[in-house]
Amino acid sequence: NAGVTQTPKFQVLKTGQSMTLQCAQDMNHNSMYWYRQDPGMGLRLIYYSASEGTTDKGEVPNGYNVSRLNKREFSLRLESAAPSQTSVYFCASSPRDRVLGSPLHFGNGTRLTVT
Amino acid sequence: KQEVTQIPAALSVPEGENLVLNCSFTDSAIYNLQWFRQDPGKGLTSLLLIQSSQREQTSGRLNASLDKSSGRSTLYIAASQPGDSATYLCAAYSGGGADGLTFGKGTHLIIQP
Repeated sequence: NAGVTQTPKFQVLKTGQSMTLQCAQDMNHNSMYWYRQDPGMGLRLIYYSASEGTTDKGEVPNGYNVSRLNKREFSLRLESAAPSQTSVYFCASSPRDRVLGSPLHFGNGTRLTVT
Repeated sequence: KQEVTQIPAALSVPEGENLVLNCSFTDSAIYNLQWFRQDPGKGLTSLLLIQSSQREQTSGRLNASLDKSSGRSTLYIAASQPGDSATYLCAAYSGGGADGLTFGKGTHLIIQP
């Protein structure tokens, strides 16, 4: 059971380059999320998709765009990478609205360095 | 805005000890609280989720409690083992969509063999 799969695992970009982080889940979950994790800052929500066809901004959306391609896949795009976007990026999914108490399932992360 | 604090930031104990990790939150109007484990270079793994109507949840050697009125949750680990070494994070959900989930910065736990 793969769970949440993120690609690539590592990436180095130069300032101004663009890239797309891929995420796929095989648990038939409705909701998907993108977080970044930085030392001393904890986990911060970038974008989320409560269900297929919808996306919403989180706490730190500037510089990013997302696409919920289908129920399984949720991608994160950096159009013009900046050093401030150096971070570890995590994709997560949950079966339903978190009010009902469904736990989050995380991928193993993408470690991005922007030089 | 909800704030979640975990103290201490790091903890090192000998194998076999029982230990308690603390999580405090400023807004007691939460729907649920979740504890995660994060191993180096890995994502977060959900350990326990406590609904606001519950006082505690147990899974094996782990027991999580929730006291909304005092804004506190604790994760109790019994008979600690070196394999328990990891960073433990708590997250409180205050509603209002995915924005309503606030993470603490974690406690880095080392169990000495």
